[in-house]
Amino acid sequence: GENVEQHPSTLSVQEGDSAVIKCTYSDSASNYFPWYKQELGKRPQLIIDIRSNVGEKKDQRIAVTLNKTAKHFSLHITETQPEDSAVYFCAASNNAGNMLTFGGGTRLMVKP
Amino acid sequence: EAGVAQSPRYKIIEKRQSVAFWCNPISGHATLYWYQQILGQGPKLLIQFQNNGVVDDSQLPKDRFSAERLKGVDSTLKIQPAKLEDSAVYLCASSLGQATQETQYFGPGTRLLVL
Repeated sequence: GENVEQHPSTLSVQEGDSAVIKCTYSDSASNYFPWYKQELGKRPQLIIDIRSNVGEKKDQRIAVTLNKTAKHFSLHITETQPEDSAVYFCAASNNAGNMLTFGGGTRLMVKP
Repeated sequence: EAGVAQSPRYKIIEKRQSVAFWCNPISGHATLYWYQQILGQGPKLLIQFQNNGVVDDSQLPKDRFSAERLKGVDSTLKIQPAKLEDSAVYLCASSLGQATQETQYFGPGTRLLVL
């Protein structure tokens, strides 16, 4: 089955700096890669996703890149703000019924 | 639109006891998922329903866990008997269908502590 590795497990940045979180996956058939943000005690919420026919996608301060050959994808957050502090999860799924395999999570701390 | 609802929000039980969780998906969502999220880890899929049928339950510990979605809307997840390692947050999610790339919307979760 699919295996998703996520790094780093914790990331501390100064407000205004950029943050990058990286994930690798094992199943070459995976073609959908969402990113979820989970604040303490809250539900995971989708922040951005990318499909295998696209190499990069941006939404304001958030961007995601995908390298299908290397089987890795990354989340980039620019001009970080304290409210970006949360745990971020990457995930991958293939055509087999929308089942998501999640990475272990990255705890992002943005210091004011 | 109303989100995914779950109850209870918290539950504390002793090992070997039974417990049940309830989930009400977003109206019109045919696909429902139960995930287990152990502290410090990502969610792990336990079971996926399409309407009232099971799509995948390969990671469900069937000797103690069971789930149903009899009328294709609400779902219950049961653990009997519970073990210490079942302490986790149980998240329910739903999506419009089961096609790949359908966004999954999560509920607030039920935090279970087994003593």
